[in-house]
Amino acid sequence: DGGITQSPKYLFRKEGQNVTLSCEQNLNHDAMYWYRQDPGQGLRLIYYSQIVNDFQKGDIAEGYSVSREKKESFPLTVTSAQKNPTAFYLCASSIGGTNTGELFFGEGSRLTVL
Amino acid sequence: DAKTTQPNSMESNEEEPVHLPCNHSTISGTDYIHWYRQLPSQGPEYVIHGLTSNVNNRMASLAIAEDRKSSTLILHRATLRDAAVYYCILRDNFGNEKLTFGTGTRLTIIP
Repeated sequence: DGGITQSPKYLFRKEGQNVTLSCEQNLNHDAMYWYRQDPGQGLRLIYYSQIVNDFQKGDIAEGYSVSREKKESFPLTVTSAQKNPTAFYLCASSIGGTNTGELFFGEGSRLTVL
Repeated sequence: DAKTTQPNSMESNEEEPVHLPCNHSTISGTDYIHWYRQLPSQGPEYVIHGLTSNVNNRMASLAIAEDRKSSTLILHRATLRDAAVYYCILRDNFGNEKLTFGTGTRLTIIP
């Protein structure tokens, strides 16, 4: 089945460690996104990519990095520079371009910093 | 900042219609109105979207004001499974993918 897969679902890390969250889609979508969600809050955009080998900062990019070397993959690295990384991270994809269709979301990755 | 404004929370009785409002007073002519909902500990799922005309699908209806500065998501007969956070966002057709979500409306269904 086509869809978007995030891994791991739960992740624990010690302070000062970098961690990479995986996001893979087999929908042949050009656009991919990373959002962060804190308890009881809405979604905040971290990074987005409209095409392979290109990505843009969202509203809260500091302390995060991404790459888009393949169309189907958009990994997010939470670096030690991120002051408060404990959160629920959501990846999404869409056809992109001038298509205004729906976003497809993964099930999320919950990161806890100990 | 989010370009839409929604009430923080709403309640509705089970099996009754629910009308969820969204204000988007700065909407441009090329912005589509999208609605998503999020169940606890899950990613959001698409509900419906539209440009100018009212839209219906199996999940809900979308009523768009004539001036497009507001819209209403209508759940015709709420069930307990409709309890979720509902987000209204705007998406243009120029390929601008900087899609911003606000805090949404938390819908509680009363049995």
